[in-house]
Amino acid sequence: AQSVTQLDSQVPVFEEAPVELRCNYSSSVSVYLFWYVQYPNQGLQLLLKYLSGSTLVKSINGFEAEFNKSQTSFHLRKPSVHISDTAEYFCAVIPNTGGFKTIFGAGTRLFVKA
Amino acid sequence: GAGVSQSPSNKVTEKGKDVELRCDPISGHTALYWYRQSLGQGLEFLIYFQGNSAPDKSGLPSDRFSAERTGGSVSTLTIQRTQQEDSAVYLCASSLVQGDGYTFGSGTRLTVV
Repeated sequence: AQSVTQLDSQVPVFEEAPVELRCNYSSSVSVYLFWYVQYPNQGLQLLLKYLSGSTLVKSINGFEAEFNKSQTSFHLRKPSVHISDTAEYFCAVIPNTGGFKTIFGAGTRLFVKA
Repeated sequence: GAGVSQSPSNKVTEKGKDVELRCDPISGHTALYWYRQSLGQGLEFLIYFQGNSAPDKSGLPSDRFSAERTGGSVSTLTIQRTQQEDSAVYLCASSLVQGDGYTFGSGTRLTVV
């Protein structure tokens, strides 16, 4: 079985500051890793994913996440946030050995202040 | 269709009534999922359908909940004798292959009064 822990339920940050949203997972098998974003009053959207290869993956809007196998982590970072990044962010895993059921973390609400 | 479509977007129902929530996935996506998102909580897995295989119903919280997927496309989630604790946003998602991630619909906000 898999589990995902997002260590911070809320992260307030000032505009243009850097941010890190933490995600740790537990799994007895190898997994694919995802970050999803949910903007206010919208559905969830895939932000980025790690399947294999380079452990650093990037999104089109400046976020990046690094897969660390030894620490079983997949933290999400952005060097300079904007007001428009205010949203809830969900870390998720799915076993890469078959099956389609994704396990989601509880979410981290990022609040960017002017 | 271009995206995952869910209807209705909002539903207010009286306690004890039955409700049906509809999901129209992306055309060609073989896998379809239902999740529930309650206020201040994460996503709770309910059920998923994969092709012609038997659905994984392991997340359904009680026998009041059921779902079907007709013709490998549209899915309906039915909640019988609704209770106040059923109030939540019900999210549907679909995917084609495992590594693609999910495409979510906008959800149905269910309020049981």
